[in-house]
Amino acid sequence: KAGVTQTPRYLIKTRGQQVTLSCSPISGHRSVSWYQQTPGQGLQFLFEYFSETQRNKGNFPGRFSGRQFSNSRSEMNVSTLELGDSALYLCASSPLPAVRSYEQYFGPGTRLTVT
Amino acid sequence: QKEVEQNSGPLSVPEGAIASLNCTYSDRVSQSFFWYRQYSGKSPELIMSIYSNGDKEDGRFTAQLNKASQYVSLLIRDSQPSDSATYLCAVLGGNQFYFGTGTSLTVIP
Repeated sequence: KAGVTQTPRYLIKTRGQQVTLSCSPISGHRSVSWYQQTPGQGLQFLFEYFSETQRNKGNFPGRFSGRQFSNSRSEMNVSTLELGDSALYLCASSPLPAVRSYEQYFGPGTRLTVT
Repeated sequence: QKEVEQNSGPLSVPEGAIASLNCTYSDRVSQSFFWYRQYSGKSPELIMSIYSNGDKEDGRFTAQLNKASQYVSLLIRDSQPSDSATYLCAVLGGNQFYFGTGTSLTVIP
C-alpha cells in the first residue's frame, strides 16, 4: 500500500511570492492534516480537511489556506511569502478525522525556503 | 505558553542502557498522548500511544502517563544505535494535536 506522498519535496521561493504544496493521502484515507515544522517551534498544526471540508484550523494567518479534492488529495497555499515561512511542511493522513482515528501517517514533507 | 514541553536534549546514552524521555503539557490539552520518532531528514512515525494513567509497554518501549502531574514519559530499554532519533511528544486536546519540539536521542555504541 502506497504511503503519503507530497510534492514537491524541495522549493525555493522569494519573499512576496505564493506557493502551492500538494499532498496525496494513503488510499482510502479521507482526512488530511497539514503541519509546519521549524526547529524553534516544532510541529504546529495548520488545518485539517475531511471529505473536502475544513474541520479545524490552527493559529496561522489567513495567508495560509488549503483545500481538498473529491479524491482526498489536498493542496496548501501560502500567499505573500515571508522569510519566517521557511520550514518543513508535513501532511498527515488518517482514515477518519484525526481526532477519531488517533493514528496519523505522515508524508515525507516539502522543504520550503524563502529568500 | 506552549501546550507541550520537552527537553530538547541532546540526550546521549550508551548502547544497552535505558533512555528516559519526558514531556509535560498544559491542563487544557489532556485527552490522549502519543510518542513519535523522527529520524533525521525523515517524517515522524508513531511508536506509542497512551490514554489512561499508568504504564503501557510495547516491546522495548514503555509509555508512562500521570495526568495529575501533567506528565508523560517514554522509556526505551536496551537502547540500540538505531534508536538514535528525535522523539516527539504529542497531545490530543480538543480537536487538534499539539506537538512538543522534540528530544534528540543519541545511542552510543
